[in-house]
Amino acid sequence: AQSVAQPEDQVNVAEGNPLTVKCTYSVSGNPYLFWYVQYPNRGLQFLLKYITGDNLVKGSYGFEAEFNKSQTSFHLKKPSALVSDSALYFCAVRISGGSYIPTFGRGTSLIVHP
Amino acid sequence: GAVVSQHPSWVICKSGTSVKIECRSLDFQATTMFWYRQFPKQSLMLMATSNEGSKATYEQGVEKDKFLINHASLTLSTLTVTSAHPEDSSFYICSARLREAYEQYFGPGTRLTVT
Repeated sequence: AQSVAQPEDQVNVAEGNPLTVKCTYSVSGNPYLFWYVQYPNRGLQFLLKYITGDNLVKGSYGFEAEFNKSQTSFHLKKPSALVSDSALYFCAVRISGGSYIPTFGRGTSLIVHP
Repeated sequence: GAVVSQHPSWVICKSGTSVKIECRSLDFQATTMFWYRQFPKQSLMLMATSNEGSKATYEQGVEKDKFLINHASLTLSTLTVTSAHPEDSSFYICSARLREAYEQYFGPGTRLTVT
């Protein structure tokens, strides 16, 4: 079984400040973890993934995420937020070696204020 | 690379008519394609998974006869909403997976409005 939780419906941050979008997961095995971003009325765009190796993963547009096995978390971060980062962010998980169908979180709306 | 297109991007139709949505992988061959439905301010709901040349696998609660999925080639999948009703109005998104990739690549979505 696999599940993912995004505890915050919305995150507000001022432009230039660091941002964090939280994600925790539950799998019965080793996880593959993903972050996607969705702009209004658009499909999802892939940001980054953790498969194995270094716990800190760097992705598109300056985003990064840290895999923390003990806390079963995969929080998305960016050192300095831009107004253009405002969007809906989805975390997803699937089990290594299991079904290739991921489970998506409910999404977190990131709003970056000028 | 790994671009997925959807057509149309939006469509308005009358109740009782059928609507076909196309999903194409433009620069790769998709092992598997997925169809999702998204309600406003909500997450993605997986409707079905399809492999080229095989029947689609529908998620529980999704009506097979209402949402017809055809995956005729490694670059094209279609979703046909038959006898559409206003409650079928939604944002439909497809995605595709390469055999060697872990992530999915999403189309831009289709906004369906049934009047």
